[in-house]
Amino acid sequence: QLVLTQSPSASASLGASVKLTCTLSSGHRSYAIAWHQQQPEKGPRYLMKLNSDGSHSKGDGIPDRFSGSSSGAERYLTISSLQSEDEADYYCQTWATGIRVFGGGTKLTVL
Amino acid sequence: EVQLVESGGGLIQPGGSLRLSCAASGFTVSRKYMSWVRQAPGKGLEWVSVMDSGGIIYYADSVKGRFTVSRDNGKNTLYLQMNTLRVEDTAVYYCARDSGGATATGMDVWGQGTTVTVSS
Repeated sequence: QLVLTQSPSASASLGASVKLTCTLSSGHRSYAIAWHQQQPEKGPRYLMKLNSDGSHSKGDGIPDRFSGSSSGAERYLTISSLQSEDEADYYCQTWATGIRVFGGGTKLTVL
Repeated sequence: EVQLVESGGGLIQPGGSLRLSCAASGFTVSRKYMSWVRQAPGKGLEWVSVMDSGGIIYYADSVKGRFTVSRDNGKNTLYLQMNTLRVEDTAVYYCARDSGGATATGMDVWGQGTTVTVSS
């Protein structure tokens, strides 16, 4: 079964960096994922597609502060030089024929 | 400008029906995969349905047999017909431009959402 697992919460200080993790279920470690950001009271926003080899392609207008990387079944989203507007929920998402799957989301608090 | 605008949400009693619309601009809906995603109050994102560019439609088990997706190519609009609504269908419903196959990139454009409340 295709499942994505995320930690429910993370925190980091203004100006620092944070690395969020999304873990693919057993047997699916080669899958690409997408990262989405959802700021409070807003709809989701596409950040990037992240491949199993760590290559990634960002959406239009996504700052360089956002980057992705991969290791095995883990997919990471790194946000550097944290700003107050980065406080949001972050979701990973993947796909196969006939199905789309979201992780449970990570709530990022900027201290 | 690439944009999606949902409409049609509202308050409906359990067992009722509602049709949501998703009007697209800046791209052609019939040439893309399109998904519906919902978010219950205080919860995460839940995939509802995907229609591929060939018109094949897949549904999440939670809505299969009750929800139907269609599109009007002339209006460049995607629809979600929701029947036999349940309290647990209460959510903000988003449409999203999606993709599939070897060049899939995930859901890269999202609408602002429309709220559906199922309550007596």
